[in-house]
Amino acid sequence: DVKVTQSSRYLVKRTGEKVFLECVQDMDHENMFWYRQDPGLGLRLIYFSYDVKMKEKGDIPEGYSVSREKKERFSLILESASTNQTSMYLCASSQAAVYEQYFGPGTRLTVT
Amino acid sequence: AQTVTQSQPEMSVQEAETVTLSCTYDTSESDYYLFWYKQPPSRQMILVIRQEAYKQQNATENRFSVNFQKAAKSFSLKISDSQLGDAAMYFCAYRRGEDTNAGKSTFGDGTTLTVKP
Repeated sequence: DVKVTQSSRYLVKRTGEKVFLECVQDMDHENMFWYRQDPGLGLRLIYFSYDVKMKEKGDIPEGYSVSREKKERFSLILESASTNQTSMYLCASSQAAVYEQYFGPGTRLTVT
Repeated sequence: AQTVTQSQPEMSVQEAETVTLSCTYDTSESDYYLFWYKQPPSRQMILVIRQEAYKQQNATENRFSVNFQKAAKSFSLKISDSQLGDAAMYFCAYRRGEDTNAGKSTFGDGTTLTVKP
């Protein structure tokens, strides 16, 4: 079975801190994604990557950056966390364009 | 840009009965894929069912089936013989068929399904 893991289930950070959220998949998927999930807003794509060192902005990239140095790992970085970045963050991966995405368990980030 | 609309923020169903969740989408593409994902409380999101736009036959997975109306751009999910374990948030998602944009999907806002015993 495909497994997507995220480094933390719950995280509490202070405003202005640099925050790293890590995601690892074990099925050699080319594509990886970072979403944030907020009540009433569904899933919104932050960034995605279709290959190592390749990344593209999603719908809401402001305030975030990403890193993909290895195929299996995709990191989301909040350079200076703000309270409006309090959210559930979901990582996903997929084998190719036509296949479904596999999701991690999510990280609930609280910025105080 | 593609949009996906789930008009029912919340739905409820009695155990063993049937419920239908609605989804409409907007696209100018002819080649695309549609998905229903399930997110149980505090658990990982998983795929429920997938539909290729070029297939006329509606997809079915056990108690889950879809009603795909391409002309109307409608993609509803029917859950038969509902079980307590079906309680979850359900997301409808759209993805272009071309191998571009890493296959990124557009998701609806979700429908929370409650199953009453």
